[in-house]
Amino acid sequence: GAGVSQSPSNKVTEKGKDVELRCDPISGHTALYWYRQSLGQGLEFLIYFQGNSAPDKSGLPSDRFSAERTGGSVSTLTIQRTQQEDSAVYLCASSSAPRETQYFGPGTRLLVL
Amino acid sequence: AQKVTQAQTEISVVEKEDVTLDCVYETRDTTYYLFWYKQPPSGELVFLIRRNSFDEQNEISGRYSWNFQKSTSSFNFTITASQVVDSAVYFCALSEAGGGATNKLIFGTGTLLAVQP
Repeated sequence: GAGVSQSPSNKVTEKGKDVELRCDPISGHTALYWYRQSLGQGLEFLIYFQGNSAPDKSGLPSDRFSAERTGGSVSTLTIQRTQQEDSAVYLCASSSAPRETQYFGPGTRLLVL
Repeated sequence: AQKVTQAQTEISVVEKEDVTLDCVYETRDTTYYLFWYKQPPSGELVFLIRRNSFDEQNEISGRYSWNFQKSTSSFNFTITASQVVDSAVYFCALSEAGGGATNKLIFGTGTLLAVQP
């Protein structure tokens, strides 16, 4: 079946602009995660959604970052007023249930000029 | 606090050599999961294995094998008879499994494996 998909694959933006990154999880997966991979910080957790529960936002680095998940499926990660340090690959993962294996999408490579 | 350490930053081997990637973890939880993921040059993280903290049996899958030892908090990964296609960055990861846990993955810094022909 289809895996996790993310769009866009690449995004170049200017400092100060807002960006939206999209994630389509595997169909039927109730848990959805966002991670960020950067040279300086490695792979780090950002936010977790499970069903209709309140998301765990403990990994978001600042209030410029937000995410939502509509209808328990598609998720959008929004970065407002982007900074150069936001340049990274943003990875989305989903799992069939909490504690199950997370499967990753191909990522969105964000470059902030 | 949870932590995963992959001390080997880069490893270079010649094709057909065996290679072991080390992973040491720290957690105060009694119930947890350990993972290995592969990230080839294309960039996508590919799941390899998931191990429950209560299951210390070693596992073999083709040329891949994993050695889980709770006594040393290690979860090492061995590739037998390496091939050029094994060239990638390999990540070890840990997640909580207790009630209410987010189950977020805590990743090590990765080991870049280069297999030379």
